Order: sequence, then C-alpha cells, then structure tokens
Amino acid sequence: GDSVTQMEGPVTLSEEAFLTINCTYTATGYPSLFWYVQYPGEGLQLLLKATKADDKGSNKGFEATYRKETTSFHLEKGSVQVSDSAVYFCALKYAGGYSTLTFGKGTMLLVSP
Amino acid sequence: EAQVTQNPRYLITVTGKKLTVTCSQNMNHEYMSWYRQDPGLGLRQIYYSMNVEVTDKGDVPEGYKVSRKEKRNFPLILESPSPNQTSLYFCASSQATGEGHNSPLHFGNGTRLTVT
Repeated sequence: GDSVTQMEGPVTLSEEAFLTINCTYTATGYPSLFWYVQYPGEGLQLLLKATKADDKGSNKGFEATYRKETTSFHLEKGSVQVSDSAVYFCALKYAGGYSTLTFGKGTMLLVSP
Repeated sequence: EAQVTQNPRYLITVTGKKLTVTCSQNMNHEYMSWYRQDPGLGLRQIYYSMNVEVTDKGDVPEGYKVSRKEKRNFPLILESPSPNQTSLYFCASSQATGEGHNSPLHFGNGTRLTVT
C-alpha cells in the first residue's frame, strides 16, 4: 500500500538556520504530494503541494521538489524563524476514487531565538 | 469565513458513556473525514464520507460510528468509549475528487478526548 516516511523529530534549530525535513514515499501510481503544518493547539493547514514529478511547491519561504527518481519530497527553508515552530506532515493523495490523504507521522520543529 | 468547526474542544468522560463530537463545514464540500492523532502514530483516518448518506471505514474504524444526513455535518459517535480512545480528534473536509484531486483538506481545530 501507499505510505509516507518522515524523519523523526524533534528537529531543534536556532533562528536563521537552514531547515531540511526529509520525506520519502511509496505509491503504486502517481500521487500528488503535500506538506501540512500544525501550529500548537490548531488543526493542520496546507503549506505547499506539488502535483507531478519535478514540480516545486513553495509558500512562506518553504520549498519542496517532487523527485520521482528518489521518491522524495523534502521540505526546506533557508532561514527559519521562531514562529516556524510546529509539527510538519508530509502526505500524498493518490489518484484513486476518493480524496484520501496518506500522512507521514509528522516531524516537530523547534526553533529557538 | 470558510471553516470547519468541531465541538467540543475538550471532553473528559468515563468508560461506556456514549458521546458525540460534532463537525460542521460551511464550504459546501462533498468530502468529509475524521482522524485521530496519537504520539508516535501520526494521523490515522477513522471514517470518511464522499457525500450525503455515503460513509466508509478508514484505517481505524473500530469503536466509532458516523453519519452524514446533511452535507455540512459529519458527527463522530462513540457508543461505548474506552480508555484506548483517548486521543486528539480532527475533522476535515475538501472538494470531491472529480475536479478536486489536488484540493487541500481543511481541518478543524481538534477535540481532545480523555476517557477514564
């Protein structure tokens, strides 16, 4: 079945450091890939997405590139802020008959001043 | 404002006492879903609904029921809660797959349930 694997957290960084959160997937077809972010006490919200190989999703300084050859969708940001502290979920949506997302287990990011 | 509203935000109950967590969305979405979030396990889907009167089991449906009598509402029912259902629950909605294959899920702010 389809699955998403993320690096375990927490990831602890100082403000302005470079961020990478690894995400790899297995899928039987050609899914779209997503990153969702969950701030403390809130539900998840879409951060960025990519719908096909070599697409780059970007939002709020975050980027991720859909790499079909390595089945990866790593999240990056050049300079993190304290306000980026949150849990980040990688997910795929397979082009099946319904809109079910398969999530990774989430990676907590803690950014200190 | 487009939103998914869950109630209550926090709930403490005892084993065996039936409860309902409500979920309502104002975006006219066809698709709605319930997830539970547990440490180390991430998000797991409980039930989903493609449209009114259509519901299907997700990955962890045991001990839960849902109904979809109206498009906007998708309540989660625990007929006889047990301590292993202590968790953080999220309702979510999105457009249907047809034209919305890439449409994002919109999440509520969660319901933290404790069963003693």
